[in-house]
Amino acid sequence: SQELEQSPQSLIVQEGKNLTINCTSSKTLYGLYWYKQKYGEGLIFLMMLQKGGEEKSHEKITAKLDEKKQQSSLHITASQPSHAGIYLCGAVRNTGKLIFGQGTTLQVKP
Amino acid sequence: SAVISQKPSRDICQRGTSLTIQCQVDSQVTMMFWYRQQPGQSLTLIATANQGSEATYESGFVIDKFPISRPNLTFSTLTVSNMSPEDSSIYLCSVETSGNTIYFGEGSWLTVV
Repeated sequence: SQELEQSPQSLIVQEGKNLTINCTSSKTLYGLYWYKQKYGEGLIFLMMLQKGGEEKSHEKITAKLDEKKQQSSLHITASQPSHAGIYLCGAVRNTGKLIFGQGTTLQVKP
Repeated sequence: SAVISQKPSRDICQRGTSLTIQCQVDSQVTMMFWYRQQPGQSLTLIATANQGSEATYESGFVIDKFPISRPNLTFSTLTVSNMSPEDSSIYLCSVETSGNTIYFGEGSWLTVV
């Protein structure tokens, strides 16, 4: 099994709906990154979480880190077609080095 | 933040040839890394590009196949040598800034035919 598991693997939602993506680690989380990727392109930095219980928001995206559960969640409120893409969580394993989940593909239907 | 430029953004290469990918950052950074993303898969770390010394490779990646240069604190190159179709991937450069945030470049999408 993967060291970092994302769920769901894919998601189709109607525009305006809320959604949550989860990222669960088999090891202790010392830091957790969320990125968004458009097909065939680079990674866009969304948020970095470092402390247990930490929660960050940017526009309509909120990410939380539950250190005890070794889990992070990414929540999108009132989804828009511009939110479509692949969402990747990356766990810090050593200075600057990340190990990634398999990604969650999000489609938003207008 | 950091702005990271990669060249080329895309290329189609003949098997057996080699291609060098460039990564340029708009500010000096200590840590630079190279990742590979195979079709339909997530990212895997290839190596850490060390300034002024040999790169540090992850398990399964070797210098002969993926030679890396890091002449200064803003620039690095990754060469994919003797390419085969299995090397068709997106190759991504990443940096860790002084604020301990990790950013990625736009990626270089290589197709080997």
